[in-house]
Amino acid sequence: QVQLQQSGPGLVKPSQTLSLTCVISGDSVSSNTAAWNWIRQSPSRGLEWLGRTYYRSKWYNDYALSVKSRISFVADTSKNQCSLQLTSVTPEDTAVYYCARMSFGFRNYYYGLDFWGQGIMVTVSS
Amino acid sequence: EIVMTQSPATLSVSPGERATLSCRANQSIGTNLAWYQQTPGQPPRLLIYGASTRATGIPAKFSGSGSGTEFTLTISSLQSEDFAVYFCQHFNNWPPAVTFGPGTKVDFK
Repeated sequence: QVQLQQSGPGLVKPSQTLSLTCVISGDSVSSNTAAWNWIRQSPSRGLEWLGRTYYRSKWYNDYALSVKSRISFVADTSKNQCSLQLTSVTPEDTAVYYCARMSFGFRNYYYGLDFWGQGIMVTVSS
Repeated sequence: EIVMTQSPATLSVSPGERATLSCRANQSIGTNLAWYQQTPGQPPRLLIYGASTRATGIPAKFSGSGSGTEFTLTISSLQSEDFAVYFCQHFNNWPPAVTFGPGTKVDFK
């Protein structure tokens, strides 16, 4: 069974960098049938996709346009985890942050976001 | 840009009744549509992918249909654990993007 365990601070000051980690068990971060996504949820913005990282002979990152200039992902194969960094945060970045696995099948058929981390509530406040 | 809308925002249903939820895309997305259930304090749970295929372990009471721009999630004979918020979601291959609908809350009538 795939499990995603998230960690990171619950409070970040404005203008600082938010860093979150998602440790994967039951699958490999470098799986060629998965992509590892970051999604956040707030009352004002609903569920918002931030981007994904995945390995297909090399590493790829896709970022949502809304955060592209401030976001980066790093995968660590030795720890089987992926991490998110979001710079220059503002109160509008306050949300519950999730990591989630995106699965693919034959000919890249999309199987959905089938496993999710528990979520971390991140508040941006001084 | 693909925009997903859902209706109604809230659906009041009595236990044992059937619920029908709608999701619409502003342009054709084929059957590249998934449905999720979310209860308070929990992450979303995948119910349906490919518009109509139940995910592993999802009971047959959940069924999805539709293609193009109009999609439906039907929940037969609602039980207490089914009262939740339901989201539809599209994955766009290029440019890569994931878009969620705003959700439909199913609550007790």
